[in-house]
Amino acid sequence: DGGITQSPKYLFRKEGQNVTLSCEQNLNHDAMYWYRQDPGQGLRLIYYSQIVNDFQKGDIAEGYSVSREKKESFPLTVTSAQKNPTAFYLCASSTGLAGEQYFGPGTRLTVT
Amino acid sequence: RKEVEQDPGPFNVPEGATVAFNCTYSNSASQSFFWYRQDCRKEPKLLMSVYSSGNEDGRFTAQLNRASQYISLLIRDSKLSDSATYLCVVRGTYSGAGSYQLTFGKGTKLSVIP
Repeated sequence: DGGITQSPKYLFRKEGQNVTLSCEQNLNHDAMYWYRQDPGQGLRLIYYSQIVNDFQKGDIAEGYSVSREKKESFPLTVTSAQKNPTAFYLCASSTGLAGEQYFGPGTRLTVT
Repeated sequence: RKEVEQDPGPFNVPEGATVAFNCTYSNSASQSFFWYRQDCRKEPKLLMSVYSSGNEDGRFTAQLNRASQYISLLIRDSKLSDSATYLCVVRGTYSGAGSYQLTFGKGTKLSVIP
């Protein structure tokens, strides 16, 4: 079955540690995205990538980094510079930047 | 004015009722419009795209009014399984930076009661 997988589902870290969230898709989509959702808030775009080895900052990129070495994979690193990292992180993909976006199941990150 | 505004609800309706959600957007040049459904603690799932002429998918009808910058979603014959948060999503214009960014509303919560 084609889809988007994110792991782990829940992640706990101590403040000051970097953490990497995984996102893999087998939909053969070119574009991939990372969003953050906080309680009662709309999704906010962190980074997106249109093609391999290229990515762009979204609205709230500070404290995050990404890589896109393979079409199928778009990992997100939450660095210690991110002031409020506790959130629900969602990865999405689409056929192109104008295509409909489909989401993975998300990772809930808690930093204490 | 917020970019995409929705009534947060909650809307509590009995099974079988008809319920309508509204959404307004601020960017008059917005190109594409969508409704997503999000269950509690789950990812958003695309419910339907919204076309200029309006479109229907079973019990769901979406309408777009570009002049008023207004989108609506109508659910007929509500089922218990329709209980979720409904997100209004708008895609802006090509920004020159290769971006067709989506802007998400905060969502409207629907609870269908037996």
